[in-house]
Amino acid sequence: DAGVIQSPRHEVTEMGQEVTLRCKPISGHDYLFWYRQTMMRGLELLIYFNNNVPIDDSGMPEDRFSAKMPNASFSTLKIQPSEPRDSAVYFCASSHRGLWNEQFFGPGTRLTVL
Amino acid sequence: GENVGLHLPTLSVQEGDNSIINCAYSNSASDYFIWYKQESGKGPQFIIDIRSNMDKRQGQRVTVLLNKTVKHLSLQIAATQPGDSAVYFCAEKGAAGNKLTFGGGTRVLVKP
Repeated sequence: DAGVIQSPRHEVTEMGQEVTLRCKPISGHDYLFWYRQTMMRGLELLIYFNNNVPIDDSGMPEDRFSAKMPNASFSTLKIQPSEPRDSAVYFCASSHRGLWNEQFFGPGTRLTVL
Repeated sequence: GENVGLHLPTLSVQEGDNSIINCAYSNSASDYFIWYKQESGKGPQFIIDIRSNMDKRQGQRVTVLLNKTVKHLSLQIAATQPGDSAVYFCAEKGAAGNKLTFGGGTRVLVKP
C-alpha cells in the first residue's frame, strides 16, 4: 500500500484566495482525520470522519474551513478565504476500525498564505 | 512536517546511550496513550501504545511506562541510534470518542 497520500505537498497562495487540500486514505480504512500543525499550537485535530460521515468538527477553527469526504477514498479540506494565520502544515491520517487507535499519517501539505 | 520548532524541549543523547522522554497528560479519564515519532519533513509515525489498564509495555528497543497516579507517561529508547533523531509526541485518548490529544513534543538529538 502506498500509505496516505496528500496533495499538494506545498501550497503558496495569497490572502483571500481559496485553498483546497486533498487526501487519499489507506484503502480499507474507515476513519479519516485532518490535523493542523503549527509552531505555536503543535498538532491539533480539526475534524474526523467515520465511513465518510463527519463525526466531530469541533476543532475546525471557523467557518472559513470546511471538509468533505464524498467517498471512502477521497477527502478535501477547503479554506475560503485564506488568511496568513492559516499558514501551517496540514496532515491527513487514516485508521481502521479494528486498529482505529493507530493512525497512519500522510506526509502533510505545507501551506503558506502571504 | 513543521515540528514545534524553537520552543520544543530538546534531549541530547550520545549514540548508544538510552533515552528517556517524558510526558505529562492532563485527563485522568484518558484510557489510551500513544507515542509518535516525527522526522523532519514527514508526518508522525506510530511507535508504541499502551492502555490504561497496563503500566508497562515493551516493543523493539522501546518501552512505554504509564503512571496513572501522577498522570505521567515515558518512552524509553534503548541503545539510541542516529535514526532516532526526531520529535517525539505523546497522545492521549479520552474515555469517550476517537479523538487523540497530542502533547507539545520533545526533540531528540543523537550525537555520534
